[in-house]
Amino acid sequence: DTAVSQTPKYLVTQMGNDKSIKCEQNLGHDTMYWYKQDSKKFLKIMFSYNNKELIINETVPNRFSPKSPDKAHLNLHINSLELGDSAVYFCASSQRFGGEQFFGPGTRLTVL
Amino acid sequence: DAKTTQPTSMDCAEGRAANLPCNHSTISGNEYVYWYRQIHSQGPQYIIHGLKNNETNEMASLIITEDRKSSTLILPHATLRDTAVYYCIVRVESNQFYFGTGTSLTVIP
Repeated sequence: DTAVSQTPKYLVTQMGNDKSIKCEQNLGHDTMYWYKQDSKKFLKIMFSYNNKELIINETVPNRFSPKSPDKAHLNLHINSLELGDSAVYFCASSQRFGGEQFFGPGTRLTVL
Repeated sequence: DAKTTQPTSMDCAEGRAANLPCNHSTISGNEYVYWYRQIHSQGPQYIIHGLKNNETNEMASLIITEDRKSSTLILPHATLRDTAVYYCIVRVESNQFYFGTGTSLTVIP
């Protein structure tokens, strides 16, 4: 069974479009995260949700909006995509905030 | 943002111990040291973490100096599948994780 899954795995889109990436965890964890890994492989935290409440927003542009319909899901919606949004986005979860994180396989977003 | 510095790259012979150093000279008293690795653009994988004492699990050992300003991750018998980027992370008091640039470990046959 896949612990943390993301869809889609690859996403290619035009500048200005709106897109969503979905994340699901079946570990029963309370906290979920979104990370962005740029072309230089630098991994940066974007958001964290604990029990469906946002607890971190690391100065991410408001074009990015996380949505958590329930504890097992944390989706990332991106409006008006820009070239600089091209990156690999990783979802992760942990049993509690600050605990060991389990990462998904990543979604490679390419904005043309 | 990262509170750690690591060598950019290292090589290790297959079957030998791989010793990966990390400096975290500004670490505070209750901040943990975590190690993750990322194999070929897969999602990062948790390895081990510690506060003050040395730690060991089925994957690795973590040696933390007494002053806590540095630590070493030890993979006791490196295999080709251990080739990856290894991240040393300090979990700060707000419970956030800041990944640095990591060490690219290449295990050589």
